Amino acid sequence: AQKVTQAQTEISVVEKEDVTLDCVYETRDTTYYLFWYKQPPSGELVFLIRRNSFDEQNEISGRYSWNFQKSTSSFNFTITASQVVDSAVYFCALSEALSGSARQLTFGSGTQLTVLP
Amino acid sequence: DVKVTQSSRYLVKRTGEKVFLECVQDMDHENMFWYRQDPGLGLRLIYFSYDVKMKEKGDIPEGYSVSREKKERFSLILESASTNQTSMYLCASSLRGAFREQYFGPGTRLTVT
Repeated sequence: AQKVTQAQTEISVVEKEDVTLDCVYETRDTTYYLFWYKQPPSGELVFLIRRNSFDEQNEISGRYSWNFQKSTSSFNFTITASQVVDSAVYFCALSEALSGSARQLTFGSGTQLTVLP
Repeated sequence: DVKVTQSSRYLVKRTGEKVFLECVQDMDHENMFWYRQDPGLGLRLIYFSYDVKMKEKGDIPEGYSVSREKKERFSLILESASTNQTSMYLCASSLRGAFREQYFGPGTRLTVT
């Protein structure tokens, strides 16, 4: 069975600190996709990034960066110079095959990030 | 702009009641999903649908059913609500395709007393 582990349940940082959210996954598939979602206090999950299993290139988008390492089955997320608006629950997810053309997302349990002013 | 809407943000029901949670998407997505979110457990898939009138069980379908009569609408039904169904319910939709991201609604927080 596929599994996603986010060992950090809660993290608190002070504004402008850098913070890394860890994600470790397990899968037997050779082709798979990894995602990060953000859930602000309003409740709606927002898609941040997708990475496929053949692309280990790291990605940077503004203050956000992602480090994908197949050798350690990890897909970690770093926020540089954190801001109060980054406070949210962050979910890592792994896609797997389902009926038809749907892809099921297996979610980690989430990391609650609190950025203090 | 992508939009998934859910009929209620907050709902309080009594044990044994029949409960309907409605989800509508305006993106012409083929796939629709119902999840429940509980502290420490992340999101767990209840049911999904990859086409009109098609439905498949997810990881935790017991006590739930679904209906998809139109492409844009996916309903979750609790036939006889129980207290262990108190949770946050999230609806999502996506395009057909292996790597498509899912778009989520704002969630319905259901309390069963």
